[in-house]
Amino acid sequence: DAKTTQPTSMDCAEGRAANLPCNHSTISGNEYVYWYRQIHSQGPQYIIHGLKNNETNEMASLIITEDRKSSTLILPHATLRDTAVYYCIVRVARSGGSNYKLTFGKGTLLTVNP
Amino acid sequence: DGGITQSPKYLFRKEGQNVTLSCEQNLNHDAMYWYRQDPGQGLRLIYYSQIVNDFQKGDIAEGYSVSREKKESFPLTVTSAQKNPTAFYLCASSIGVQGNTEAFFGQGTRLTVV
Repeated sequence: DAKTTQPTSMDCAEGRAANLPCNHSTISGNEYVYWYRQIHSQGPQYIIHGLKNNETNEMASLIITEDRKSSTLILPHATLRDTAVYYCIVRVARSGGSNYKLTFGKGTLLTVNP
Repeated sequence: DGGITQSPKYLFRKEGQNVTLSCEQNLNHDAMYWYRQDPGQGLRLIYYSQIVNDFQKGDIAEGYSVSREKKESFPLTVTSAQKNPTAFYLCASSIGVQGNTEAFFGQGTRLTVV
């Protein structure tokens, strides 16, 4: 699976949009981009995923560049409860043993400030 | 409610003792995973299972063992051979063979060995 690179930490003001970048320059054509977040001492929570097109759900938007080498997770109106570590992961879409592995790096600690 | 349940939330054991962490899911998912998380670190994969009666080693399987006798259950045993067992352990599951499906995580078990 392709590796990802994320900033160690970011700050955002409450009510503003939080834009979290992720670099995945070695991504393959059959690899999806996933985002999870982890609030302190809890299990990770799924946010969103995409392949080529931009995606939006009730939690966030995912913008993937045309060459798919990077992506940005957007939380449109950050709240204090969005303070968490955000993980960007790439995951192969094919069947088989390696398909089941989710490789988590250290992620980005997003701190939303009042 | 559907979900993935880990128990107990906190566990204390004496050095040299084996301990088994429970993970149960009622989501009818085929794949299940165990991860370990150390302070300030990302998640590292210990074992994963694609289907009942089958499991594969992850990146840090030494000192751990698992079983998958039922679809709903994937217990993890931390043996005395694991040199640094104190950690936060997370179990997850995903629906099946396609890579474009998200994983759901339990709330974790914090194991402390004294």
